[in-house]
Amino acid sequence: NAGVTQTPKFQVLKTGQSMTLQCAQDMNHEYMSWYRQDPGMGLRLIHYSVGAGITDQGEVPNGYNVSRSTTEDFPLRLLSAAPSQTSVYFCASRPEPRIRTTEAFFGQGTRLTVV
Amino acid sequence: AQSVTQLGSHVSVSEGALVLLRCNYSSSVPPYLFWYVQYPNQGLQLLLKYTSAATLVKGINGFEAEFKKSETSFHLTKPSAHMSDAAEYFCAVSGMNTDKLIFGTGTRLQVFP
Repeated sequence: NAGVTQTPKFQVLKTGQSMTLQCAQDMNHEYMSWYRQDPGMGLRLIHYSVGAGITDQGEVPNGYNVSRSTTEDFPLRLLSAAPSQTSVYFCASRPEPRIRTTEAFFGQGTRLTVV
Repeated sequence: AQSVTQLGSHVSVSEGALVLLRCNYSSSVPPYLFWYVQYPNQGLQLLLKYTSAATLVKGINGFEAEFKKSETSFHLTKPSAHMSDAAEYFCAVSGMNTDKLIFGTGTRLQVFP
């Protein structure tokens, strides 16, 4: 059972570089999302998607882009990395976005450092 | 709007002692609440969830939480802490628009021998 898979696990970027964090799920979940985790701030929602072809902004979307061309994949793109984007990034999926009782399933996280 | 507040960013207990992690919620609609645990260098996994079927919810690893509407609380408890319980715990509420989980800031639990 793979669940939600994130790659890479660790990444160091220089300021101004771009990169894509990969997220894939094999549970046929409609809803996928990206969070960032920073000390003392919990998890903050960056972007989310309720199905293929549909994306929307969360709480902290600036500096990030997403796309959802398939149900399985939801990559997060950093266009021009900044030190403020140093964080741990989590991808999560939920089976039924219209049912509020469904829990999210999380990947193992990507630890990103921007120098 | 929905939100959750976790009181205490750090909680320390001795092995065998009661664990109490606090979560208060704010919601304009009936809340659906979750507790997640994050072990070091890992993702979050579900401990338990409240979906209005029962106010006392039992989860994995001996944890339970009680939904108290009058106190707008959903505190997490475990009668006897184990060293393996050391982790960060997050309370979350399901957003009114159904498509968001809104997390608290987390509580780091330390367990001393």
